[in-house]
Amino acid sequence: AQSVSQHNHHVILSEAASLELGCNYSYGGTVNLFWYVQYPGQHLQLLLKYFSGDPLVKGIKGFEAEFIKSKFSFNLRKPSVQWSDTAEYFCAVTLNAGNNRKLIWGLGTSLAVNP
Amino acid sequence: GAGVSQSPSNKVTEKGKDVELRCDPISGHTALYWYRQSLGQGLEFLIYFQGNSAPDKSGLPSDRFSAERTGGSVSTLTIQRTQQEDSAVYLCASSGTSYNEQFFGPGTRLTVL
Repeated sequence: AQSVSQHNHHVILSEAASLELGCNYSYGGTVNLFWYVQYPGQHLQLLLKYFSGDPLVKGIKGFEAEFIKSKFSFNLRKPSVQWSDTAEYFCAVTLNAGNNRKLIWGLGTSLAVNP
Repeated sequence: GAGVSQSPSNKVTEKGKDVELRCDPISGHTALYWYRQSLGQGLEFLIYFQGNSAPDKSGLPSDRFSAERTGGSVSTLTIQRTQQEDSAVYLCASSGTSYNEQFFGPGTRLTVL
């Protein structure tokens, strides 16, 4: 079955530190890739997405992610985190097969940024 | 414009009771999804509606779960004879078509005592 793995369950950083959250998926076909973020007390919102084209995608709030097809990876990066980046981060994929583009989710990474 | 809305925001019920959860998608969005977010289980797909097509129910965990979507808009997720393991946050998402970004509602937190 298709699955998404996030390597880090809990990450604690100080402000201005660099961030990289790992995400790998298992599926041999074409996928669309997403990172969603859930700030404390708020609902899920899209951080960035990859459908096609340039594998380095830029999202909101200075986040970026790189799709490496050969590694089945879509790692999220930010050069310098802020306290306001404290949130839960979810990697997800949809399979480009059929009409149902349900999101297949990783378990999430809880990021705490200390001021 | 208005985003996806869900009601109630919180629901506490006793084991064995039926519950109904409501989702109002973004106006004009034809695709609607229900997901469940459980502690330790992460987010999992439940059911998918696309326009007037038959829904994809492949993610429903048991026959106690059902959902409908009336008039291609509002959707209701019904859980019959609730069990404690049904406790979770139930999320609804809609998208313009099935191929687009999904927008999420705030969720309904269900607690089964």
